[in-house]
Amino acid sequence: AQSVTQPDIHITVSEGASLELRCNYSYGATPYLFWYVQSPGQGLQLLLKYFSGDTLVQGIKGFEAEFKRSQSSFNLRKPSVHWSDAAEYFCAVGPYSSASKIIFGSGTRLSIRP
Amino acid sequence: GAVVSQHPSWVICKSGTSVKIECRSLDFQATTMFWYRQFPKQSLMLMATSNEGSKATYEQGVEKDKFLINHASLTLSTLTVTSAHPEDSSFYICSGTGAGGSHEQYFGPGTRLTVT
Repeated sequence: AQSVTQPDIHITVSEGASLELRCNYSYGATPYLFWYVQSPGQGLQLLLKYFSGDTLVQGIKGFEAEFKRSQSSFNLRKPSVHWSDAAEYFCAVGPYSSASKIIFGSGTRLSIRP
Repeated sequence: GAVVSQHPSWVICKSGTSVKIECRSLDFQATTMFWYRQFPKQSLMLMATSNEGSKATYEQGVEKDKFLINHASLTLSTLTVTSAHPEDSSFYICSGTGAGGSHEQYFGPGTRLTVT
């Protein structure tokens, strides 16, 4: 079955600390992987995406993610978080070859401790 | 590039009335559009997929007669919630694909619907 698992429902980190949000996926075909961020009451903003190439992907706002095929993981990282990073983060997987539906994880809510 | 807008951003309607939400791709032609529903503190739930000029494909459990989707042009899709009830109150998000050939989805900012 195709699925995306974000095991952490809520994470709190101190401002300036490093961050890692976990994402594991199960997908039959070659996955097209995404991380989105959603601020309260807002739509989704794409942070980064990966289909092929270098397994370490750089995104916007200082975020990066590493694709590990052997672990079926696509964890999101940031070396130093800012208070403005507080939001909901969604990992997602979909097909590259067609405009078909994306499967979203359940999301991880990030809170920043001053 | 690849901007999607939604209108209105929020709407309040009375129970039993219908409300239409518009989703527009501003700088690309969206051959496929998706409509999602999001409950508070939950993930996005896909409601339906629509291709321009075709009938929408609804996900299991979504009432197609209640949630009418029209994708009449490559830049506009509409979702009409008919005979709205308070349980239809939710955050509705659309997305479009078709820009650049990668089939990546570009999301609108969402519409908050409150049915009183």
